Amino acid sequence: AQTVTQSQPEMSVQEAETVTLSCTYDTSESNYYLFWYKQPPSRQMILVIRQEAYKQQNATENRFSVNFQKAAKSFSLKISDSQLGDTAMYFCAFRLSTSGTYKYIFGTGTRLKVLA
Amino acid sequence: DAGITQSPRYKITETGRQVTLMCHQTWSHSYMFWYRQDLGHGLRLIYYSAAADITDKGEVPDGYVVSRSKTENFPLTLESATRSQTSVYFCASSRQETQYFGPGTRLLVL
Repeated sequence: AQTVTQSQPEMSVQEAETVTLSCTYDTSESNYYLFWYKQPPSRQMILVIRQEAYKQQNATENRFSVNFQKAAKSFSLKISDSQLGDTAMYFCAFRLSTSGTYKYIFGTGTRLKVLA
Repeated sequence: DAGITQSPRYKITETGRQVTLMCHQTWSHSYMFWYRQDLGHGLRLIYYSAAADITDKGEVPDGYVVSRSKTENFPLTLESATRSQTSVYFCASSRQETQYFGPGTRLLVL
């Protein structure tokens, strides 16, 4: 069975600085997808970034980038130039890409607070 | 605008009552999901549906019933609400490998 672990329940960062959120996962499969979702105080779940396991290049979306280490089963999220609006709960998620498999596994989340 | 809507956004009910949470999406996505979110547990899958009239259990299905007679709707029913079902419920749909979430329904069972 697949698992996703976020070992940092809470983190804080000063505005304009960089912060990295950790995520590790466990699977015996080689083809899968990884995601980071953001949940601000409004509770809306917003997709931040997505990574296909077969791609070696790390995904980036503006100030958000990932460090995907397939062998180590690690998928960390780096937020550069942190902004107050980045304050949110961040969830790491995993999904196999096997045909017929549509279940997503979520970590327990990391609460990030950006300080002014 | 296209997207996923959930109703009601907030609901208070009593134990033993039947409650139905609605989910509607305008993208015609085949896959739809129901999750509950509780402190310390992240998101846990209750049920999911691959298409109209095709549903399957997730991680925590007990006490819940779903149906999907139309592609765009995926209601979740609590047959006899219990206090342990107090939670925030999210509906989601997926296009290819990415899920898109509704705004959530906060349910309080007294």
